[in-house]
Amino acid sequence: GQQLNQSPQSMFIQEGEDVSMNCTSSSIFNTWLWYKQDPGEGPVLLIALYKAGELTSNGRLTAQFGITRKDSFLNISASIPSDVGIYFCAGLLGSNYKLTFGKGTLLTVNP
Amino acid sequence: DADVTQTPRNRITKTGKRIMLECSQTKGHDRMYWYRQDPGLGLRLIYYSFDVKDINKGEISDGYSVSRQAQAKFSLSLESAIPNQTALYFCATGLAGGPSYNEQFFGPGTRLTVL
Repeated sequence: GQQLNQSPQSMFIQEGEDVSMNCTSSSIFNTWLWYKQDPGEGPVLLIALYKAGELTSNGRLTAQFGITRKDSFLNISASIPSDVGIYFCAGLLGSNYKLTFGKGTLLTVNP
Repeated sequence: DADVTQTPRNRITKTGKRIMLECSQTKGHDRMYWYRQDPGLGLRLIYYSFDVKDINKGEISDGYSVSRQAQAKFSLSLESAIPNQTALYFCATGLAGGPSYNEQFFGPGTRLTVL
């Protein structure tokens, strides 16, 4: 199946720092989604991107749909302890309705 | 109330037992999905349904079956559970059209342990 490479696998940061993570693929996607998963819970949709070059914000979170349509980036500004969790990217290929998920970035924020 | 609910939230069973996991949604979405999550492997699609009469296999359907009893209900069965089916199972829903049709919304998950 299609592969999404998500990096980094994990991050340890201090409260107040900015965070960046990304997903790349050898395939062209027409949708990128970013999710956050807290321990013991299901993934929660943070941001959806539908157009190449699109930049969308949700509070302190900003995500971009790469111009090549093969990558996407998520930035978190001024991190706080409740940002802790696993962040997943997911992409949709062409007319295929099945999402492909990255393996996640585990974020730890030290107060 | 939660839009997507899953029951049970936790289940421990023995090898060879038949298990059913249930999912209900109040979002009015046509599409429903079952995923499993394993450490280091991310989310993998088991089955999906675009409406009550439409059932499709995902990438890892062997050992599983599903039933779409109504628009709002989608159940996953393990006919004869085996230990490597120990995982977190998630149900998700999505719209069939409109500007947000690619977005999927997840339930809280079921933690299944097969001994």
